[in-house]
Amino acid sequence: DAMVIQNPRYQVTQFGKPVTLSCSQTLNHNVMYWYQQKSSQAPKLLFHYYDKDFNNEADTPDNFQSRRPNTSFCFLDIRSPGLGDAAMYLCATSRVRSPGTGLYEQYFGPGTRLTVT
Amino acid sequence: QQPVQSPQAVILREGEDAVINCSSSKALYSVHWYRQKHGEAPVFLMILLKGGEQKGHEKISASFNEKKQQSSLYLTASQLSYSGTYFCGTPFTGGAQKLVFGQGTRLTINP
Repeated sequence: DAMVIQNPRYQVTQFGKPVTLSCSQTLNHNVMYWYQQKSSQAPKLLFHYYDKDFNNEADTPDNFQSRRPNTSFCFLDIRSPGLGDAAMYLCATSRVRSPGTGLYEQYFGPGTRLTVT
Repeated sequence: QQPVQSPQAVILREGEDAVINCSSSKALYSVHWYRQKHGEAPVFLMILLKGGEQKGHEKISASFNEKKQQSSLYLTASQLSYSGTYFCGTPFTGGAQKLVFGQGTRLTINP
């Protein structure tokens, strides 16, 4: 089945120790997103890729970086995690928006729950 | 630019109906609806693209009033499986391939 896969599902890291979360997709979608979601809040977009074009949100901390080496894979790097970075990190994909049709639906992976100790 | 959802939380008994609203201060051209169960990822429910459009998925339907810049999600004869947090999402104006999500409405269905 076509899907979005995230690894690991649970990640524990130490304060200040770099961590990388990964996302892969078999949907062949051009657009990939990374969201941060804290308890009882809406997903907050960190950045997204349209093919290899990287789009950073204005309020995404510099501590967060991303790489997309090919269509299928995308990585989220947190260079120096702080306690405030503990959250669920969601990867999502979608097809490219066409004029007049609006955005297509997003397919979410199961998420990686990050704990910072 | 974040759409506003109301109510923030709803508690129902199984079989009761609920309405969740999503409104925007900016012009709306389409609205997405997602449901997220506790500890799981959001799951797509439906998209409404045109003013006046209505769609349904089982006993969950939605309407989109472009003039009023709002959408409503209707849950009829709610089932226990409908519990979760419902998010509406609206496309970011400016052509970017991204959604802005509302703050969510937590729906609890009790037996």
